[in-house]
Amino acid sequence: QKEVEQNSGPLSVPEGAIASLNCTYSDRGSQSFFWYRQYSGKSPELIMSIYSNGDKEDGRFTAQLNKASQYVSLLIRDSQPSDSATYLCAVNKDFGNEKLTFGTGTRLTIIP
Amino acid sequence: EAGVTQFPSHSVIEKGQTVTLRCDPISGHDNLYWYRRVMGKEIKFLLHFVKESKQDESGMPNNRFLAERTGGTYSTLKVQPAELEDSGVYFCASSLGGLGEQFFGPGTRLTVL
Repeated sequence: QKEVEQNSGPLSVPEGAIASLNCTYSDRGSQSFFWYRQYSGKSPELIMSIYSNGDKEDGRFTAQLNKASQYVSLLIRDSQPSDSATYLCAVNKDFGNEKLTFGTGTRLTIIP
Repeated sequence: EAGVTQFPSHSVIEKGQTVTLRCDPISGHDNLYWYRRVMGKEIKFLLHFVKESKQDESGMPNNRFLAERTGGTYSTLKVQPAELEDSGVYFCASSLGGLGEQFFGPGTRLTVL
């Protein structure tokens, strides 16, 4: 079992719809959770971080964390063609040991 | 504010040669990380510096890889001698620390022929 699992996609969503990206992790003691967006050939760009159970909203993005189910998700509302990218889920297991464990990423395509 | 920068952006070398990658973190970031993405795989952690000290080098694949961060500013990652399986994209990231928000550089694409 991989430490961080994501559906590789591709996930196709019509423009204006909600894109839902999911991630599960294996280490129940994980502390911090991050979503990165990566355009082809570019660096991963941090778009959301979440540390406690529940929802965290930032503009069109909402991160959801459920530690009991070991599940973190990213919702993108009013999807735009510019949201087409690979979305990487990353988990930090311990405060004080800050290495990130990444999933393989989900490729999202927004269809105009 | 300048982001994380890496040099070179691409490097093509032959098996057995030596390559040195450089990373300049965001100014003021004491934490610097190296990661690698091999084609088709996830980004994997290599090591973590706090200032000039190696905090965690558990991800370094073998002793052909040497990372340094003299003076706690920029870092270099040397691969000597390079092998075919070292090909991939090497990312550097930096953070202030604490909550673990890391900011990535553009990466160096290394191809070993």
